[in-house]
Amino acid sequence: ETGVTQSPTHLIKTRGQQVTLRCSSQSGHNTVSWYQQALGQGPQFIFQYYREEENGRGNFPPRFSGLQFPNYSSELNVNALELDDSALYLCASSPSGRAPNTGELFFGEGSRLTVL
Amino acid sequence: GESVGLHLPTLSVQEGDNSIINCAYSNSASDYFIWYKQESGKGPQFIIDIRSNMDKRQGQRVTVLLNKTVKHLSLQIAATQPGDSAVYFCAENRLGSSNYKLTFGKGTLLTVNP
Repeated sequence: ETGVTQSPTHLIKTRGQQVTLRCSSQSGHNTVSWYQQALGQGPQFIFQYYREEENGRGNFPPRFSGLQFPNYSSELNVNALELDDSALYLCASSPSGRAPNTGELFFGEGSRLTVL
Repeated sequence: GESVGLHLPTLSVQEGDNSIINCAYSNSASDYFIWYKQESGKGPQFIIDIRSNMDKRQGQRVTVLLNKTVKHLSLQIAATQPGDSAVYFCAENRLGSSNYKLTFGKGTLLTVNP
């Protein structure tokens, strides 16, 4: 069984640039969520994609956008990067978009973004 | 502010001792509480969860206790091992949520001394 995979693992950008992060969900999972984890903090929910549509969004500005593809993989795009966007971006997949019975999300190992 | 928080940011224990990590929450409508373990350089890993209609759940070497009266959650790790060293997060999923959004606390760093 293939777990959640993310790419790239590390990247460095400068302010004002744009970035695209990618995620492949665990086999059999149709839902992908994205979280931002600043250094020393817990992950913060950005948004979730279910059946190629946004299915809930956290307190993040519109320059954070996403996509989900028919194979359930997903992209997170961030435009006009700011210094505070430096963080670990985590992708998590789950079998269903609605709160499941088991409470499990399967996280990838993240993409570490540094904005200079 | 944060609806899920932790009492202590760091915890240091001796190998073989039991560890207790605490968490407070503010929303009594939360449906599930989940504990995650995050090792350095890795994503969070599910440990155990508990529903709001339960007060205790046990797993392998771990027990989660839920006290709804005082809105407190704890994770107990028996016979702590060096491999248990990590940051531990509690998280909540709100009742009636139409999506699987977790609200995480800041985390507790557990260090196990040999």
